[in-house]
Amino acid sequence: KNEVEQSPQNLTAQEGEFITINCSYSVGISALHWLQQHPGGGIVSLFMLSSGKKKHGRLIATINIQEKHSSLHITASHPRDSAVYICAVFLQGAQKLVFGQGTRLTINP
Amino acid sequence: GAGVSQSPSNKVTEKGKDVELRCDPISGHTALYWYRQSLGQGLEFLIYFQGNSAPDKSGLPSDRFSAERTGGSVSTLTIQRTQQEDSAVYLCASTVTVRGGYTFGSGTRLTVV
Repeated sequence: KNEVEQSPQNLTAQEGEFITINCSYSVGISALHWLQQHPGGGIVSLFMLSSGKKKHGRLIATINIQEKHSSLHITASHPRDSAVYICAVFLQGAQKLVFGQGTRLTINP
Repeated sequence: GAGVSQSPSNKVTEKGKDVELRCDPISGHTALYWYRQSLGQGLEFLIYFQGNSAPDKSGLPSDRFSAERTGGSVSTLTIQRTQQEDSAVYLCASTVTVRGGYTFGSGTRLTVV
């Protein structure tokens, strides 16, 4: 079992829909990252969370430390949101990220 | 520079040859990471440099892989005697502090034929 599990693995939705991507982890962490990887391969860091909730534009990320769970939400989704979204956790006492397998999101016009 | 720069962006090499991949991190970023993403797979940690500390090499898959970071800035990942399973996108990331926000390079797509 991977230390970081994401769901769903693939998600297709229509433009305008509200999107939720989930991340569960089984280890103690000091921080959690949400990353976005575009088809060309470039990776962008979206959020770093250690508690609560963060919002940036149409993106919202939440984390529940007790339940070892985080969600990434996209409101009013747009085709340009199509990408792979990756959850990564910073293990307590470690110096590196452990990655989920990613969620491939496709938003159709 | 403004971002993390990696070169080359694409590299095709023959099995058995050595390759060098370069990463130029954001100026002032003390932490530098190398990751690998094989086709259809998630990101895999390779090696981590933090300031002048000894690097964390725990993710290197074999002794054919090595990396160095000169002067706390540019890093080179070297793969000796390349194998077809080494084909992947090699990504470099840097951050100001270990638990800070990451900036990723665009990666080097390595194809071993």
